[in-house]
Amino acid sequence: DVKVTQSSRYLVKRTGEKVFLECVQDMDHENMFWYRQDPGLGLRLIYFSYDVKMKEKGDIPEGYSVSREKKERFSLILESASTNQTSMYLCASSPWTGRGSGANVLTFGAGSRLTVL
Amino acid sequence: GENVEQHPSTLSVQEGDSAVIKCTYSDSASNYFPWYKQELGKRPQLIIDIRSNVGEKKDQRIAVTLNKTAKHFSLHITETQPEDSAVYFCAASPPFRSQGAQKLVFGQGTRLTINP
Repeated sequence: DVKVTQSSRYLVKRTGEKVFLECVQDMDHENMFWYRQDPGLGLRLIYFSYDVKMKEKGDIPEGYSVSREKKERFSLILESASTNQTSMYLCASSPWTGRGSGANVLTFGAGSRLTVL
Repeated sequence: GENVEQHPSTLSVQEGDSAVIKCTYSDSASNYFPWYKQELGKRPQLIIDIRSNVGEKKDQRIAVTLNKTAKHFSLHITETQPEDSAVYFCAASPPFRSQGAQKLVFGQGTRLTINP
């Protein structure tokens, strides 16, 4: 019963290539997130979206962009991949819980491990 | 913005002993503090969470305590078992200012190893 699906588990790309990482959730969640996971640095937020066509920068947005054309799909785009973008990328989603109630439980995808040569 | 510091980065305990992982946060308005467990090769999953109107929450062998004055919260695992070996992440949710902007800021993670 996988609820957040990331299209690629492993990718190998060359410096300068354009890279698309796709994420689909089937829980009708309003919020979707892209995190990057590196050893010793935890999970760092790249971008998130709270509605179709809406997006907000996270803590490390440089070098990335996102697209959310449909509620269930959130794409991460590396316009020109660089070696320092070699990492594990985790997509997650959560439901909207109303103003003032704080964040809710994240459901993560299995991750996409990207290697940029 | 919110900053979450987590300690220690690695922790090794004997099976049956207790483990404690600590986190501090910077934004006093943060109001939601979850803990995620990530087993090797798997995705992070929520194990327990606490909201700022509560000081402590327990679920069987795990508990979380929150000290809002000091801006720190801790995960306690008692009677540790080999299946507790994993990476644990704490997180804090800063206040949001627009619809749905309910992000989580994570700590750096703690690799917990339970020695048989």
